[in-house]
Amino acid sequence: GAVVSQHPSWVICKSGTSVKIECRSLDFQATTMFWYRQFPKQSLMLMATSNEGSKATYEQGVEKDKFLINHASLTLSTLTVTSAHPEDSSFYICSASIDYDEQFFGPGTRLTVL
Amino acid sequence: KQEVTQIPAALSVPEGENLVLNCSFTDSAIYNLQWFRQDPGKGLTSLLLIQSSQREQTSGRLNASLDKSSGRSTLYIAASQPGDSATYLCAVGRAGGGNKLTFGTGTQLKVEL
Repeated sequence: GAVVSQHPSWVICKSGTSVKIECRSLDFQATTMFWYRQFPKQSLMLMATSNEGSKATYEQGVEKDKFLINHASLTLSTLTVTSAHPEDSSFYICSASIDYDEQFFGPGTRLTVL
Repeated sequence: KQEVTQIPAALSVPEGENLVLNCSFTDSAIYNLQWFRQDPGKGLTSLLLIQSSQREQTSGRLNASLDKSSGRSTLYIAASQPGDSATYLCAVGRAGGGNKLTFGTGTQLKVEL
């Protein structure tokens, strides 16, 4: 149980394009989903927290107009990187939890912006 | 602001050795603490979750302890195996902060034959 999937697992795009990453909780309803970013050889940094049906809460220093988060249902959250640039290349990982309890992590999405 | 540090940053041990990974945090007002394993280029695998009211958790060859007052946690791995080679991350959940996790810097473990 408690499986979280992400799609796509990797994506390469040209600079200036937008990329959407999906995060799904497969066997439970997640009241809260979290989005993290991990640069090479660094730890995970929380980007934002999203609750179903409400606006995401972004961490300090994260541009909300750059990283659009939508949490339309209890099993799906999406992260859209708008007008991506090479510095946005990173490993993006989502997690899902029930009522702010233990977080279950997805397998991650590797984004490369050329 | 919570800061989480892990020592050592890297560790190489021969197979069969028992080892301890350390995690320290600056703010003792935590909700819980989790230990994760991350293989290269992969997501996170949860190993152990310790609630703030608990002092330790065990799963198989793994034992994690928590000392909130001193801001420390340790992950003990018994009889290490080459398959244990990975990066180990500890993460602290904020009390009263929706359990947002602050991750440590990680310990890269290599278990050699």
